[in-house]
Amino acid sequence: SQQGEEDPQALSIQEGENATMNCSYKTSINNLQWYRQNSGRGLVHLILIRSNEREKHSGRLRVTLDTSKKSSSLLITASRAADTASYFCATVRRNFNKFYFGSGTKLNVKP
Amino acid sequence: GAGVSQSPRYKVAKRGQDVALRCDPISGHVSLFWYQQALGQGPEFLTYFQNEAQLDKSGLPSDRFFAERPEGSVSTLKIQRTQQEDSAVYLCASSPRYYPGTGSTGELFFGEGSRLTVL
Repeated sequence: SQQGEEDPQALSIQEGENATMNCSYKTSINNLQWYRQNSGRGLVHLILIRSNEREKHSGRLRVTLDTSKKSSSLLITASRAADTASYFCATVRRNFNKFYFGSGTKLNVKP
Repeated sequence: GAGVSQSPRYKVAKRGQDVALRCDPISGHVSLFWYQQALGQGPEFLTYFQNEAQLDKSGLPSDRFFAERPEGSVSTLKIQRTQQEDSAVYLCASSPRYYPGTGSTGELFFGEGSRLTVL
């Protein structure tokens, strides 16, 4: 079974708006990663945040991690139509080498 | 090659047929994962190789599923006597790290997937 769950399941916004998606997980982790998947394609790594980090930025992406609440959020600022995709969080548990993916947030950015 | 290559991209099988899905990871990548992704869901772990050693196969749903990586590069996922519930996209991912889940780097590089439809 999957260890992470994203919220919301689907999100529709206008180009230029910010998009926020959340991820909750169940166990202690080494790190948490966010991936993007365009329809019919493979997953592409976006950003990684370690368990001892609280916030990380990469371009228009901002990721936060709250290990006490076992949750993370991904913020995409100034969204573009090309950001339309599904976004997945992946957790890597301590002492394991498996990546557990959530069920994803489907983002639609309208031009 | 420049990225992870999977073949075939699409496979239609009749129930009961055997199928083989191939993954060609990025050259030099020691870790290789197989994932199963049902429609509208996230990827589910199937199995993991470190070079030619299959270190974890706990996600394989039944003994009809078998994976190998005999020379530590190309991997094949074989599904025997396919069932309709096997219909999914099978994703392969690789990493240059022995323990890609640790540290400050360690992302997975995914192929485009093989979409299997069992009729």
